[in-house]
Amino acid sequence: KQEVTQIPAALSVPEGENLVLNCSFTDSAIYNLQWFRQDPGKGLTSLLLIQSSQREQTSGRLNASLDKSSGRSTLYIAASQPGDSATYLCAVKRDGNKLVFGAGTILRVKS
Amino acid sequence: DAGVIQSPRHEVTEMGQEVTLRCKPISGHDYLFWYRQTMMRGLELLIYFNNNVPIDDSGMPEDRFSAKMPNASFSTLKIQPSEPRDSAVYFCASSPGALAGGLYEQYFGPGTRLTVT
Repeated sequence: KQEVTQIPAALSVPEGENLVLNCSFTDSAIYNLQWFRQDPGKGLTSLLLIQSSQREQTSGRLNASLDKSSGRSTLYIAASQPGDSATYLCAVKRDGNKLVFGAGTILRVKS
Repeated sequence: DAGVIQSPRHEVTEMGQEVTLRCKPISGHDYLFWYRQTMMRGLELLIYFNNNVPIDDSGMPEDRFSAKMPNASFSTLKIQPSEPRDSAVYFCASSPGALAGGLYEQYFGPGTRLTVT
C-alpha cells in the first residue's frame, strides 16, 4: 500500500528565506507526483506536476525535484513571501489514475 | 473555463437526512474524482469516474454513500442517511485523459463543507 509522508508538518520562516519541503513515498512505482497548495477554507491549487521520467519542474519561484528510486520529492520555494503561507500537499499517482496524498506541510511566512 | 464547480459550498443538516452534493467538471476532462478531507484522515479518494463510468469506488465508506455521473458535465455524491461522522469537506476534481498528453493533472473544485448535527 502506497504511503506518502511529508516533513516537516509545520514550518515558520521569516520573509525572504529560501525553504525546502519534503515528501517521501514508499512505493517507487509511480506515474507522476503532484504538488498542491491549499489556502484555509479553500480547495487545492495545482502547483507542479512531475512525470516519473522527469527529475524536476520549475514554475517561477518554485522548483520541484523527484528521485523516484529513493522515493523522495522536494519542493523548493525561493525568496519566500507572506503570500506563500498555506498548506502544501504532495500526492503520487499510480496506475488507475488514483492520487495518494500526504498529510501536508503548514507553511507560515512572517513579514 | 470556470474550473470545477461544486454546490452547495456549505451544507448543514440533521442526522438522518439525505444530502446531495453536486459537481460540474472542467469541460473536456475525461476523469472525475470525489474526495473527502478531515483533520483526522486527511484527503481520501472516495470514487472516480472515467467517461461517466465508475472505475474505482473502493474508498466509499459505506452503503450510505452513492455517486452518479449521468453525463460528462454533472456528477452527484449522495449520503443517505447522513451521520455526524460524515462531517467533512468534500472535494470534486477532474483531469484530462490519455489523449491530452497523458499528464492526468487533477484540478480541484472549492469543496463543499458538510456539517451533520
